[in-house]
Amino acid sequence: DQQVKQNSPSLSVQEGRISILNCDYTNSMFDYFLWYKKYPAEGPTFLISISSIKDKNEDGRFTVFLNKSAKHLSLHIVPSQPGDSAVYFCAAMVTQGGSEKLVFGKGTKLTVNP
Amino acid sequence: DAGITQSPRHKVTETGTPVTLRCHQTENHRYMYWYRQDPGHGLRLIHYSYGVKDTDKGEVSDGYSVSRSKTEDFLLTLESATSSQTSVYFCAISETSGLSYEQYFGPGTRLTVT
Repeated sequence: DQQVKQNSPSLSVQEGRISILNCDYTNSMFDYFLWYKKYPAEGPTFLISISSIKDKNEDGRFTVFLNKSAKHLSLHIVPSQPGDSAVYFCAAMVTQGGSEKLVFGKGTKLTVNP
Repeated sequence: DAGITQSPRHKVTETGTPVTLRCHQTENHRYMYWYRQDPGHGLRLIHYSYGVKDTDKGEVSDGYSVSRSKTEDFLLTLESATSSQTSVYFCAISETSGLSYEQYFGPGTRLTVT
């Protein structure tokens, strides 16, 4: 049972345009949602997170939107740059019995074309 | 980079041999995590720790054990390595502040079991 789903395995965007990466989840008990960028042969890089009590968080070119009624979140990258080409993972954090655990989606490969 | 190092960075071992991977952090974080990343699966939690000598299982813990005798070190042991444990292993720490939750990853260890 996959609790966090990224239904698009890949996305291609022109440089300067907006990239929109999507994520759906099934567990309404998640407390936080996070986005990561990953280059080959490197560890995931934290980009931005959002609390479940908020609906938007912004950091520079990155904005995350949370729609709790639809159990959906999205990451907007504006403007997209060739260096943004990477695999993007959505993750959700749940607190259970004092422990804090992340559940990851399977990733979306973003390609930004010059 | 949250002061996380992993060792070794690469290892090739034979089926049936024990293997220990080390995660070291320098910033006194309470929570530490071990994940594995495999094609088509995203990142999956193996074990985590919420303090010295306090550990618990993640979703793919079979065949793995962990130990945390000091705050700064979290060890992952494969008691008898199998080919299915060929993977890239990532260590992570978490930080919580107000309405923010962030988890940071180390550079990874690529393990090949022949």
